[in-house]
Amino acid sequence: GENVEQHPSTLSVQEGDSAVIKCTYSDSASNYFPWYKQELGKRPQLIIDIRSNVGEKKDQRIAVTLNKTAKHFSLHITETQPEDSAVYFCAASHGTYKYIFGTGTRLKVLA
Amino acid sequence: ETGVTQSPTHLIKTRGQQVTLRCSSQSGHNTVSWYQQALGQGPQFIFQYYREEENGRGNFPPRFSGLQFPNYSSELNVNALELDDSALYLCASSLEAPGTNEKLFFGSGTQLSVL
Repeated sequence: GENVEQHPSTLSVQEGDSAVIKCTYSDSASNYFPWYKQELGKRPQLIIDIRSNVGEKKDQRIAVTLNKTAKHFSLHITETQPEDSAVYFCAASHGTYKYIFGTGTRLKVLA
Repeated sequence: ETGVTQSPTHLIKTRGQQVTLRCSSQSGHNTVSWYQQALGQGPQFIFQYYREEENGRGNFPPRFSGLQFPNYSSELNVNALELDDSALYLCASSLEAPGTNEKLFFGSGTQLSVL
């Protein structure tokens, strides 16, 4: 069935360093890949997304890359700050009604 | 703020009971989806409604049902509650129609505990 694997499950980085979170999807028809940030006790918030006709997208310190052949996509956060600490979820969709989410990555940025 | 509000924020029920969770979307958001998020897991799709009709359903039993109303509000009903139903229930709305890779905007969720 449809599946999205996300790694690592936890990630600790020093403030100012970069963080990379990777996801692999199983459905080759997937064509939309959003990333959500969820702080403790709060709602998931869309931080960046990418469509399958694009290989990379940047928004300030955040970037997402997509390798359709390998069915991989990654979130890159540069110059990490303590407020980047949260759980990050990737998701995949193929233009239907549902998103398949990864299991989440708990990012800790150490001051 | 996404403009998506959910109520109640927390709820405690006992096994076998029934529960209704509510969601209010932004004006104009005709698409609403419900997700279940178990502790330490990613959200799992329950179902989606578009213009008051169910548009798709995930791998959840029929005791999970929903309604969408013309005023952009919606409900998730769960009958015969089981312990495993304990989770955060998230409502997400979208301005776009289904099938267009619509961006989802989530509410803060209802934390349901089944004892």
